[in-house]
Amino acid sequence: QVQLQESGPGLVKPSETLSLTCAVSGYSISSGYYWGWIRQPPGKGLEWIGSIYHSGSTYYNPSLKSRVTISVDTSKNQFSLKLSSVTAADTAVYYCARRGVAAADDWYFDLWGRGTLVTVSS
Amino acid sequence: QSVLTQPPSVSAAPGQKVTISCSGSSSNIGNNYVSWYQQLPGTAPKLLIYENNKRPSGIPDRFSGSKSGTSATLGITGLQTGDEADYYCGTWDSSLSDVVFGGGTKLTVL
Repeated sequence: QVQLQESGPGLVKPSETLSLTCAVSGYSISSGYYWGWIRQPPGKGLEWIGSIYHSGSTYYNPSLKSRVTISVDTSKNQFSLKLSSVTAADTAVYYCARRGVAAADDWYFDLWGRGTLVTVSS
Repeated sequence: QSVLTQPPSVSAAPGQKVTISCSGSSSNIGNNYVSWYQQLPGTAPKLLIYENNKRPSGIPDRFSGSKSGTSATLGITGLQTGDEADYYCGTWDSSLSDVVFGGGTKLTVL
């Protein structure tokens, strides 16, 4: 079955760039779907960060857009997140997730990774 | 402050029915599909309902979704202790150009 697995540093210093990768197994990213990132600060709710298609087309959360880059590497069947100039407010569990097959303004996430905790601290 | 409003908590006895509301506006729920997610303690969210009332394969029909105007509702019948979790609604907001979620509702099965 299709599985998503996040990886990356669990600790990032303030003002630096957070970098995470999501490896996809059981499905070729090049075949379709939007792939993206959602985060959850400890004890709080969900926040969508952004999503990317295999062609490179992206959608970003407007409030994070200036600091976020999501990219895809079809040769490695993975996609990545970079979040720059991080602060303690960026401390969260970061999930990679697949957008379900949907029309233009229909957004739902049918497959999630297990998540990885990233702490921003000096 | 979340764009979509959910009650912080709901509770009911095993075997009973519970509903969880999700309130929004014309720019989100009023004109777009709603999805619901279940997050069991210490795990990733799991899709329960998409496109207002559709269940993915493997989700029991004890879970149902509906939408009316700018509000949506998740219903759970035949409550089990294993249903204790946080539940989130989500949708696209056309004005914000953003995927938005509710603040989450903690379900306690007494």
